[in-house]
Amino acid sequence: QKEVEQNSGPLSVPEGAIASLNCTYSDRGSQSFFWYRQYSGKSPELIMFIYSNGDKEDGRFTAQLNKASQYVSLLIRDSQPSDSATYLCAGSTGANNLFFGTGTRLTVIP
Amino acid sequence: DVKVTQSSRYLVKRTGEKVFLECVQDMDHENMFWYRQDPGLGLRLIYFSYDVKMKEKGDIPEGYSVSREKKERFSLILESASTNQTSMYLCASSPGQAGSPLHFGNGTRLTVT
Repeated sequence: QKEVEQNSGPLSVPEGAIASLNCTYSDRGSQSFFWYRQYSGKSPELIMFIYSNGDKEDGRFTAQLNKASQYVSLLIRDSQPSDSATYLCAGSTGANNLFFGTGTRLTVIP
Repeated sequence: DVKVTQSSRYLVKRTGEKVFLECVQDMDHENMFWYRQDPGLGLRLIYFSYDVKMKEKGDIPEGYSVSREKKERFSLILESASTNQTSMYLCASSPGQAGSPLHFGNGTRLTVT
């Protein structure tokens, strides 16, 4: 069973703080990981992907992957109210499909 | 930019009706997917297709069928709509390379009364 688990939250952080979103996965064969952001009533949009152990940075976003611990995280620096959304973690074993977590709802308080 | 277009943003149908949800992508992607999203349950895969006329069942195919006659178009069919199929339906596409990200359409919010 391929599973991706996320803390459903909600997670609240003050504006300007670092938001940390976490995800664990059960299938050691998982190779690729993705973070999607979903605003209320909208569809998910891809914000980051990571394939290798370590950190990957893109602007205010940093994705971290630890395959030994089967752990993926997303850090959002200098959080803004516009970052308030649900964040979905997804994994892939290399086949065509992705396996999604249920999402973590983030609220950034001005 | 990849564009995935779903034909309807909102749809209201009656129980027992046959419902067609259409999805078109413009990036020549091999793979196309249909998900439904419900509060607390996340995204659940209904069907996906990796080539024209090919389809694979996802986690919750019961009550649904799909059609892919052309590479760019993937249709989801509710043979006889029921109230428990009220949901947000999301179409997605991805290139043929394994582990590629999915690109989603805007979604269709279907209400079955």
